[in-house]
Amino acid sequence: QQQVKQSPQSLIVQKGGISIINCAYENTAFDYFPWYQQFPGKGPALLIAIRPDVSEKKEGRFTISFNKSAKQFSLHIMDSQPGDSATYFCAASAPLTRGSTLGRLYFGRGTQLTVWP
Amino acid sequence: GAGVSQSPSNKVTEKGKDVELRCDPISGHTALYWYRQSLGQGLEFLIYFQGNSAPDKSGLPSDRFSAERTGGSVSTLTIQRTQQEDSAVYLCASSATAWFQETQYFGPGTRLLVL
Repeated sequence: QQQVKQSPQSLIVQKGGISIINCAYENTAFDYFPWYQQFPGKGPALLIAIRPDVSEKKEGRFTISFNKSAKQFSLHIMDSQPGDSATYFCAASAPLTRGSTLGRLYFGRGTQLTVWP
Repeated sequence: GAGVSQSPSNKVTEKGKDVELRCDPISGHTALYWYRQSLGQGLEFLIYFQGNSAPDKSGLPSDRFSAERTGGSVSTLTIQRTQQEDSAVYLCASSATAWFQETQYFGPGTRLLVL
């Protein structure tokens, strides 16, 4: 079963608007939450990441909001640009525990973002 | 330095044939991961290497799939007797260590189509 659930599957936003992608998880062992950005024909690349000891992390136009009690986190892209059009994946990983794989990332299914000029 | 490279970039094969996919990680990276990306399915973990050993093979979908890593560097993913459901993009990632917060750097992937 999907350990990280991501929505929406696709998103269309006007240039200058705010793009919001949401993810939820169940495994409380998860302790690191990265977002990856993937352009067509390329591999995913790390965009921004957060640990659950903070509720928000901002890097330029990209912000992760984290709600530990709700086990949810989201990516906000402010002032969305056509160059942001890509597929975005949320992910989670956990420290080594019994039965887990060190460093393994559990990915959401992805959100295809299109920003219209 | 150079990023993660994968070859071939595209592979078309006939059902029942064997294929080998290659991954060259970033030099010095000890951890190497294989993922599979199918349309609308996100990235599915296949196998992980720490050095040359594979502590976790639990993601391999069947015994037709195998992987090895030699010299702590290059890795090969082999799919025997390919099936149409094996068609996907196979992604390799490497990281400096296997620490769970270490950034994983992905290659461009190998697009496999089984006819």
